[in-house]
Amino acid sequence: EIVLTQSPGSLSLSPGERATLSCRASHVISSGYLAWYQQKPGQAPRLLISGASSRAPGIPDRFSGSGSGTDFTLTIDRLEPEDFAVYFCLQFSTPPSFGGGTKVEIK
Amino acid sequence: QEQLVQSGAEVKKPGASVKVSCKASGYSVTSHDINWVRQATGQGLEWMGWMSPNSGNTDYGQKFQGRVTMTRNTSISTAYLELSSLTPDDTAVYYCARLTMTARSGMPPEYFFDVWGQGTLVTVSS
Repeated sequence: EIVLTQSPGSLSLSPGERATLSCRASHVISSGYLAWYQQKPGQAPRLLISGASSRAPGIPDRFSGSGSGTDFTLTIDRLEPEDFAVYFCLQFSTPPSFGGGTKVEIK
Repeated sequence: QEQLVQSGAEVKKPGASVKVSCKASGYSVTSHDINWVRQATGQGLEWMGWMSPNSGNTDYGQKFQGRVTMTRNTSISTAYLELSSLTPDDTAVYYCARLTMTARSGMPPEYFFDVWGQGTLVTVSS
């Protein structure tokens, strides 16, 4: 089973700043198998990025994904108030597994 | 609008079973696999398994083998998760999620959960 390790566990930033979130896999995975999600309290996760770098429909272009192999990054440029949430990475090699999440908090 | 709508919250005693439903609308339920994911309060997400509503084939996470059953009723576009021998550690929000695969020329295929149910809280308490 592939273990995804996200860092940092939490991030305190101000609106307008950039957030850089890391997701490291214990084994190499295809970039097509890596997705990023946003989750707010009491809500289901929302797809942001698929295939490591493809923005989902309706996702603002301040969200971008990059990386390959074992190291993947989600970048949020110019944080908006609605971006403060928890972010998860998810990989689809069998069995699928989630990262532990990064909480982006308002500073 | 493509959506998954789940059944309501459940309270169960230890040792009991729970069955959660997930009704698809806005698309053909047989066109996408349904996965189940759970999340204990304040915790991360845990994959439980998937089912093909088309064939009925399933694959369960090792942790849940022997305790979980995923089924479907295509005539009402509904998938089901049944979890038995419940313990307080099973207290969580349970989500169904639609798996989508896309393939673009020259690129590796992409897999992702693009439609999620709203979640069903299952509380296990004596």
